[in-house]
Amino acid sequence: KAGVTQTPRYLIKTRGQQVTLSCSPISGHRSVSWYQQTPGQGLQFLFEYFSETQRNKGNFPGRFSGRQFSNSRSEMNVSTLELGDSALYLCASSLGDRETQYFGPGTRLLVL
Amino acid sequence: QKEVEQNSGPLSVPEGAIASLNCTYSDRVSQSFFWYRQYSGKSPELIMSIYSNGDKEDGRFTAQLNKASQYVSLLIRDSQPSDSATYLCAVRERDDKIIFGKGTRLHILP
Repeated sequence: KAGVTQTPRYLIKTRGQQVTLSCSPISGHRSVSWYQQTPGQGLQFLFEYFSETQRNKGNFPGRFSGRQFSNSRSEMNVSTLELGDSALYLCASSLGDRETQYFGPGTRLLVL
Repeated sequence: QKEVEQNSGPLSVPEGAIASLNCTYSDRVSQSFFWYRQYSGKSPELIMSIYSNGDKEDGRFTAQLNKASQYVSLLIRDSQPSDSATYLCAVRERDDKIIFGKGTRLHILP
């Protein structure tokens, strides 16, 4: 079974731009969570989607948003990029509620 | 927000010895606990999950959970150089959010 896939793998943007990242979960998985990983803060939870509904949200500003489609694929968007948004963005999928999460390879975003 | 604490390391362990990684959490109601391994430049991969008090063994790995002490640990027996990585402890909290510790860097000395 194919794992979680994320596109693009690498991205360079400039301050003020916006970016959209994509995540395709493992087949049959209905829950998708997004995390930001930085050396200083570690892995921080952004939000979780289940059956196209946002179930949970972390403590990030409104510039960070996401959505999930009927095929469980998810996108996250960051508007008005700041230098501090440079990070590895990880997507994780699980079968459903309270199930184990499996991570994708991540998208490394660099904001200049 | 509740916290998950890990010693950042690095923890250096001779090859063949037992590596012991520890994690404490603050949400007393937490029910699900996970250990992930992350190699440099890679994404986290699940090693173990544990839900009840006691020990859970899987090959060379043993997870130990003590909910009264709010403590979860991971033991790696017969440590190999390929075990050198950052180990992340994760806790699912009462609101279903999964909170990660910042990880312990483990270095297995050949």
